[in-house]
Amino acid sequence: DIQLTQSPSFLSASVGDRVTITCRASQGISSYLAWYQQKPGKAPKLLIYAASTLQSGVPSRFSGSGSGTEFTLTISSLQPEDFATYYCQQLNSVLTFGGGTKVEIK
Amino acid sequence: QVQLVQSGAEVKKPGASVKVSCKASGYTFTSYGISWVRQAPGQGLEWMGWISAYNGNTNYAQKLQGRVTMTTDTSTSTAYMELRSLRSDDTAVYYCARVKLPLIFRGLDPWGQGTLVTVSS
Repeated sequence: DIQLTQSPSFLSASVGDRVTITCRASQGISSYLAWYQQKPGKAPKLLIYAASTLQSGVPSRFSGSGSGTEFTLTISSLQPEDFATYYCQQLNSVLTFGGGTKVEIK
Repeated sequence: QVQLVQSGAEVKKPGASVKVSCKASGYTFTSYGISWVRQAPGQGLEWMGWISAYNGNTNYAQKLQGRVTMTTDTSTSTAYMELRSLRSDDTAVYYCARVKLPLIFRGLDPWGQGTLVTVSS
């Protein structure tokens, strides 16, 4: 099975910071990758699919890039509502998730 | 609006089975599939599998093969996930989410509110 490794697993940042999260796949997955945001006690929310396509309604400060085995999620200017845990997910027939990155207030 | 509403929390004993429902509204049920994802307390997300509401085809995570069954009832636009031979490490919040099959690359959206299943003697 394809494994996804997210880094860092935890990051501390301030409002207004530019934040980048990396997701590495154990083998190439083309652009079959999604990013989700999850807040405590809530269901995950789809942010980006196909590596770089912004889901409808998601603020443009979120962006995704990459293909093959290395992908990034970038938040251009961190807002108070962005403090959450972020997961990548590979979108082949087996839809495994990365381990998550918790973004906390500095 | 598109919505998935799941059944309520369950408490089960080890060895028992649980069946969680996910009722869809706001879209054509048979044009999509439903995927199931679980999250143990304080842990990450684990994909369990998906089912096509169009033809009933399924794809289960290898780890759960033989213990999980996903079904749909198109007359009520409801998906079900049954997990058998429950163990303590099956304690988790179980989520359903819509998936556009075969266009899986579009991700899972939206998600149900989650159902807590607690396995305890």
